[in-house]
Amino acid sequence: DTAVSQTPKYLVTQMGNDKSIKCEQNLGHDTMYWYKQDSKKFLKIMFSYNNKELIINETVPNRFSPKSPDKAHLNLHINSLELGDSAVYFCASSQAGTSGYTFGSGTRLTVV
Amino acid sequence: EDKVVQSPLSLVVHEGDTVTLNCSYEVTNFRSLLWYKQEKKAPTFLFMLTSSGIEKKSGRLSSILDKKELSSILNITATQTGDSAIYLCAVYGVSNTDKLIFGTGTRLQVFP
Repeated sequence: DTAVSQTPKYLVTQMGNDKSIKCEQNLGHDTMYWYKQDSKKFLKIMFSYNNKELIINETVPNRFSPKSPDKAHLNLHINSLELGDSAVYFCASSQAGTSGYTFGSGTRLTVV
Repeated sequence: EDKVVQSPLSLVVHEGDTVTLNCSYEVTNFRSLLWYKQEKKAPTFLFMLTSSGIEKKSGRLSSILDKKELSSILNITATQTGDSAIYLCAVYGVSNTDKLIFGTGTRLQVFP
């Protein structure tokens, strides 16, 4: 069983569209994250949720809206997609007091 | 602002060589430093170093934390082509969140 799974793996869409990426973890972790990795492979945090509560909300356009229906799921909805949104989006989870994150395999978003 | 800087940005070596990757950080309330390896997809965890565990070793990989110099190194001895990857350094900063701040990564290419 995959510990942190994201869908879809690839997403190609036109500018202006709205899209969602889903993430689920079966590790029982209490915190989930969204990170964006740009073309230079720089990973930058976007959001984190702890037990469905928003903890970190970095300087991200409000076109990006995370939703956590329960502590095992954290979805990312993006409105009015722009070319600059093209990147790989990683979901991750962690448990307080343990070592590091477990990452999902990423969603490569291409906006054309 | 919290910052993690890695050097070199890229490195090309031959199998059997030994490499040293560098990471320096400036964060508020340092807690721990982590190393990840990223091949095609998700970053995978290598080591976590804290004040109470400043040196870690696993096979041909080893890492040391220098809290005085606010830095860490990752050594890989007798490199193999399978070591080719991006190596990411990350630091837990602000104490009331589990936010990981990543460096820009070092791209290592090992040729036969």
